[in-house]
Amino acid sequence: AQKVTQAQTEISVVEKEDVTLDCVYETRDTTYYLFWYKQPPSGELVFLIRRNSFDEQNEISGRYSWNFQKSTSSFNFTITASQVVDSAVYFCALSEANTGTYKYIFGTGTRLKVLA
Amino acid sequence: DTGVSQDPRHKITKRGQNVTFRCDPISEHNRLYWYRQTLGQGPEFLTYFQNEAQLEKSRLLSDRFSAERPKGSFSTLEIQRTEQGDSAMYLCASSSPMKAGEKLFFGSGTQLSVL
Repeated sequence: AQKVTQAQTEISVVEKEDVTLDCVYETRDTTYYLFWYKQPPSGELVFLIRRNSFDEQNEISGRYSWNFQKSTSSFNFTITASQVVDSAVYFCALSEANTGTYKYIFGTGTRLKVLA
Repeated sequence: DTGVSQDPRHKITKRGQNVTFRCDPISEHNRLYWYRQTLGQGPEFLTYFQNEAQLEKSRLLSDRFSAERPKGSFSTLEIQRTEQGDSAMYLCASSSPMKAGEKLFFGSGTQLSVL
């Protein structure tokens, strides 16, 4: 069965601190996709990144970086030098290729509060 | 590209009433999804359309829920005889048809409150 676990319910940091959001997933499929989405107070889910199961290269985009490790079934997200605008709920999601629908299974989210 | 739009943004209804939500996906997207999100939880999959065909329904979608996408464009989600447990944010998402792993584009959601 597919499952995504985000054990951190809420994290508070002071502006300019680095913060890592954890994501652990379960799947029996060999081909799958992992995603991170940001949900600001406005409610709309904003796409941040997609990785497929065959690409374990870490990725950096500005202050954001992602660490994908198949050996530990983890896909962690780090924000460097956090800013108040980073305050939001962040969701990790999994999509298996063999489902045909490519539906996402979301974790419960991590609420990040960045304090000025 | 105007994004995924949902209407209404907010709906307050009394228990037992019927409600209908509308979703307009991005025009070239043939895949459409409905999700439900309750407070403190991640979005939960409800149903999936490919063009006008409803190809999967979650067990969360009780008999009181029905979704349609009659012409493969916009979609509606109807809840009959609403219950307080139906109170949630209902999210619509669409994606392009090209391949697996395509990112979903989400609308802003319809917040339903059942009194």
